[in-house]
Amino acid sequence: DTGVSQDPRHKITKRGQNVTFRCDPISEHNRLYWYRQTLGQGPEFLTYFQNEAQLEKSRLLSDRFSAERPKGSFSTLEIQRTEQGDSAMYLCASSLGGPGRYSPLHFGNGTRLTVT
Amino acid sequence: DAKTTQPTSMDCAEGRAANLPCNHSTISGNEYVYWYRQIHSQGPQYIIHGLKNNETNEMASLIITEDRKSSTLILPHATLRDTAVYYCIVRVAGNSGYALNFGKGTSLLVTP
Repeated sequence: DTGVSQDPRHKITKRGQNVTFRCDPISEHNRLYWYRQTLGQGPEFLTYFQNEAQLEKSRLLSDRFSAERPKGSFSTLEIQRTEQGDSAMYLCASSLGGPGRYSPLHFGNGTRLTVT
Repeated sequence: DAKTTQPTSMDCAEGRAANLPCNHSTISGNEYVYWYRQIHSQGPQYIIHGLKNNETNEMASLIITEDRKSSTLILPHATLRDTAVYYCIVRVAGNSGYALNFGKGTSLLVTP
């Protein structure tokens, strides 16, 4: 178990630029989640994949945000035309889903985005 | 999902039991109680979850009241490494992938 890996750890960008983050989940995990966390707040759910299918999206995920998981393994989260309000920690988590069972979410250590 | 209420912060002396309360008075019959914690600069870490019965694992114990309106997470012998924000979350384990919504949690400080 090498854990959930996120890249980069930190990203500083100018307002209006596009950014892309990558998440590599634990290899056998079929479920992948993206969360956002701002200072002093708990993580907020953004979106969820089961294998390559994006099955749930939060209202927080505006049309400037897009997430993909093309082969059911790694995932990318892209933010277009970044705004200062997008500055946050972006967390990725994965779990092993199955009927009738709860599998804890395993989180990476996040990508911290600063929009200047 | 039912709303939860947790104290903003708590202190605990090292070696003593840390008892973290959570109120979820509007919980419904099919909602589970989950606990996660987040150490500074890290992602959240799963601790324990339960429905009705008390649960124990190598990290902690979860005590759920009979009416299920509140619960307590117990760290039996707190260490300095247990200093973290602890989140109590109530959620139906359904088809949406168990996506959890975290609140602000309780910031636990374990002191020497």
